[in-house]
Amino acid sequence: KNQVEQSPQSLIILEGKNCTLQCNYTVSPFSNLRWYKQDTGRGPVSLTIMTFSENTKSNGRYTATLDADTKQSSLHITASQLSDSASYICVVSSQYDYKLSFGAGTTVTVRA
Amino acid sequence: ETGVTQTPRHLVMGMTNKKSLKCEQHLGHNAMYWYKQSAKKPLELMFVYSLEERVENNSVPSRFSPECPNSSHLFLHLHTLQPEDSALYLCASSQGGSGRSYEQFFGPGTRLTVL
Repeated sequence: KNQVEQSPQSLIILEGKNCTLQCNYTVSPFSNLRWYKQDTGRGPVSLTIMTFSENTKSNGRYTATLDADTKQSSLHITASQLSDSASYICVVSSQYDYKLSFGAGTTVTVRA
Repeated sequence: ETGVTQTPRHLVMGMTNKKSLKCEQHLGHNAMYWYKQSAKKPLELMFVYSLEERVENNSVPSRFSPECPNSSHLFLHLHTLQPEDSALYLCASSQGGSGRSYEQFFGPGTRLTVL
């Protein structure tokens, strides 16, 4: 069973609307959690990184939250734009280990 | 751009062909990685090189053969592949390798199709 589960698998939203993506993980001991954005035909690019002590972090219209107790994270996209259409991947690191645990991603499609 | 380049961007090959994927990083990192990305699946780690030594070989079939001649370059040699090997192959680099968790910077990937 994968240690990082993302939901939904895909979603479609209208331009200007908000959406929230979910990530649940079982990786332990936890080190940090990153959200990556992957545009079609490109490699993933880091959006945010959160450590154990951080609850919220923003990067422009992207806001990530982390609840280390329940091992859940979310990525909120505000006022979506067509350029937000991409796959969003949750990636969790464990302490003392270079290996990353990847979620399968959520594909977001923003329509005009 | 992330500072990691990959060539070719697209590759179509028959099962009897031999080809190579190339990755180059311009970030001064000392660890490099190969991942396989299949549709609807999480990224799968294939190989890890730290300071030009292979530190991870994740039960990858021998038809995939990595090579790391220096800390800036990484190759993936392919031979007698199967159709199920069709995927996006991503290269990444990071400041450190084994024992620490550093951000990995990804290249744009090579879209491989095996006929």
